[in-house]
Amino acid sequence: KAGVTQTPRYLIKTRGQQVTLSCSPISGHRSVSWYQQTPGQGLQFLFEYFSETQRNKGNFPGRFSGRQFSNSRSEMNVSTLELGDSALYLCASSLGGQNYEQYFGPGTRLTVT
Amino acid sequence: AQKVTQAQTEISVVEKEDVTLDCVYETRDTTYYLFWYKQPPSGELVFLIRRNSFDEQNEISGRYSWNFQKSTSSFNFTITASQVVDSAVYFCALSEAQRAAGNKLTFGGGTRVLVKP
Repeated sequence: KAGVTQTPRYLIKTRGQQVTLSCSPISGHRSVSWYQQTPGQGLQFLFEYFSETQRNKGNFPGRFSGRQFSNSRSEMNVSTLELGDSALYLCASSLGGQNYEQYFGPGTRLTVT
Repeated sequence: AQKVTQAQTEISVVEKEDVTLDCVYETRDTTYYLFWYKQPPSGELVFLIRRNSFDEQNEISGRYSWNFQKSTSSFNFTITASQVVDSAVYFCALSEAQRAAGNKLTFGGGTRVLVKP
């Protein structure tokens, strides 16, 4: 069974631009979560989508948004990029329900200059 | 609010030594789940184990073992006879069992393990 895939793997953007990251979960998984990983803040939860609905949201500004499609694929968008948005963005999928183990993708490394 | 603390930022050992990683958590919930993940240099987080708060039975899986003690809010992880391939950052994580929590994970800061040959 294929794992979680994320595209693109690397991105370089300039301040003020916007970016869209994509995540394809493991087949059959209905929950997709997004996390931001930085050296200073560590791993932080962004949001979770389940059956196309945002189920939970972390403490990030409104510039961070996401959505999930009917095939469970998910995208996250960051508008008006800031230097501090430079991070590794990890997507994780799980069967659904709650408290299931999550399987992570390789991440998208975003650099904002 | 929930919190996970991994006091050890980095551990360096020589191959075949045992390594124990500490994890202490805080939560107001009586029902919760604890996880360990491994992040090798490639960057992808790898799931290792999940335990619920009602199951304090310790577990051994190959060279890995886990010690869950609810009384001290600790969920420690031991690698026996470490190998170079065990070099990675290890994360402890917590999720609440409330319906609204979904699959949200709160991670500790991670412990970097370096196994030298």
